Amino acid sequence: QLQLQESGPGLVKSSETLSLTCSVSGGSISGSSYYWGWIRQSPGKGLEWIGSIHYSGSTYYNPSLKSRVVISVDTSKKQFSLKLSSVSAADTAVFYCARHIGGYSGGFGYWGQGTQVTVSS
Amino acid sequence: QTVVTQEPSFSVSPGGTVTLTCGLSSGSVSTTYLPSWYQQTPGQTPRTLIYSTNTRSSGVPDRFSGSILGNKAALTITGAQADDESDYYCVLYMGSGIWVFGGGTKLTVL
Repeated sequence: QLQLQESGPGLVKSSETLSLTCSVSGGSISGSSYYWGWIRQSPGKGLEWIGSIHYSGSTYYNPSLKSRVVISVDTSKKQFSLKLSSVSAADTAVFYCARHIGGYSGGFGYWGQGTQVTVSS
Repeated sequence: QTVVTQEPSFSVSPGGTVTLTCGLSSGSVSTTYLPSWYQQTPGQTPRTLIYSTNTRSSGVPDRFSGSILGNKAALTITGAQADDESDYYCVLYMGSGIWVFGGGTKLTVL
């Protein structure tokens, strides 16, 4: 059973960089059709796709966040990571990591439990 | 920028059928947008219901089905149950690697 687990600081100061890691267990991170993504949900709001990565390192980003986001993968550790720079209160959210289903074309099939990140001033 | 639209709220009677839709602020949704659907109750992780328009995710009962209706993607729930009361989100593939979520529909079963 594939499991994903987010980890990282729950509190980040405004203007600093938010860093989260997603650890993958119960399956491979390196399958040719495996794409991994980050999604966030601000308090009381809907879901927002942040970006996705293939194990080879190919990345895709939400255009509205692209200038501040870097997603990377470490296949040896079976982890992929999110860095979001210059954060503000608007970046306070629950952050989910996920795996796309059916290659990149299938949306998000497997989800981590989510981790709350609060940006403080 | 194209916005993905969903009904803000919907209600259905227990045992009834409801169809939620996922559209575009400009243009029509087709299978090439690879619509998928998610169910989320407050404080919980989203659950994948449908992907690639009409493929049910593992363990999802066949009361949930996906389709294209007219110019929108649709999620139909038949035989609604109390625990179907949730928020439902769709996401569309816009091309160039970009996914956009709809704003979600709050479904009430009463």
